[in-house]
Amino acid sequence: GIQVEQSPPDLILQEGANSTLRCNFSDSVNNLQWFHQNPWGQLINLFYIPSGTKQNGRLSATTVATERYSLLYISSSQTTDSGVYFCAVDTGRRALTFGSGTRLQVQP
Amino acid sequence: EAGVAQSPRYKIIEKRQSVAFWCNPISGHATLYWYQQILGQGPKLLIQFQNNGVVDDSQLPKDRFSAERLKGVDSTLKIQPAKLEDSAVYLCASGNGLETQYFGPGTRLLVL
Repeated sequence: GIQVEQSPPDLILQEGANSTLRCNFSDSVNNLQWFHQNPWGQLINLFYIPSGTKQNGRLSATTVATERYSLLYISSSQTTDSGVYFCAVDTGRRALTFGSGTRLQVQP
Repeated sequence: EAGVAQSPRYKIIEKRQSVAFWCNPISGHATLYWYQQILGQGPKLLIQFQNNGVVDDSQLPKDRFSAERLKGVDSTLKIQPAKLEDSAVYLCASGNGLETQYFGPGTRLLVL
């Protein structure tokens, strides 16, 4: 099956700093989503982005499908950004295959 | 629009006992998924339904896990008998076949 690798596995930032999270995948995908899992375990949709670039406030994402990677940018980080960020892909079966996540801690 | 509902939120049982989880998807969503998330890992698909039919259950441990989606709306996932390694968060998600999947809050299961 498809492999999804996320980096870095852990990231500690000071409030106000910027960061880039990376997701590499091993095969062509129909769907790529970024999620934020908050400390209570809820998975929150951030982006549906199988290709191209999208922005939502301080967050933006870029997927280069031909090179099989996606990037999530977080600018001016806040303590509420803490949690685990997951990249998940769908190869046409609609079910998502998740990476192992990037655990982000934003310190005040 | 109401989100995906799951219950219970937490469950503690002893090994070899049985347990059941319930999920109500977003209204109108034909596709329903159950994922298992072990601590420190990403969620992994257990079973996928399209309306009331199973699309993919290749990763469901069928000797102990079962799931159903009667009438193509809500769904139950059962474990019988539970093992220690079943301790995890069980996440239900639904989709309308187009793009985004939406996840419920999950059920945290601890097997002692």
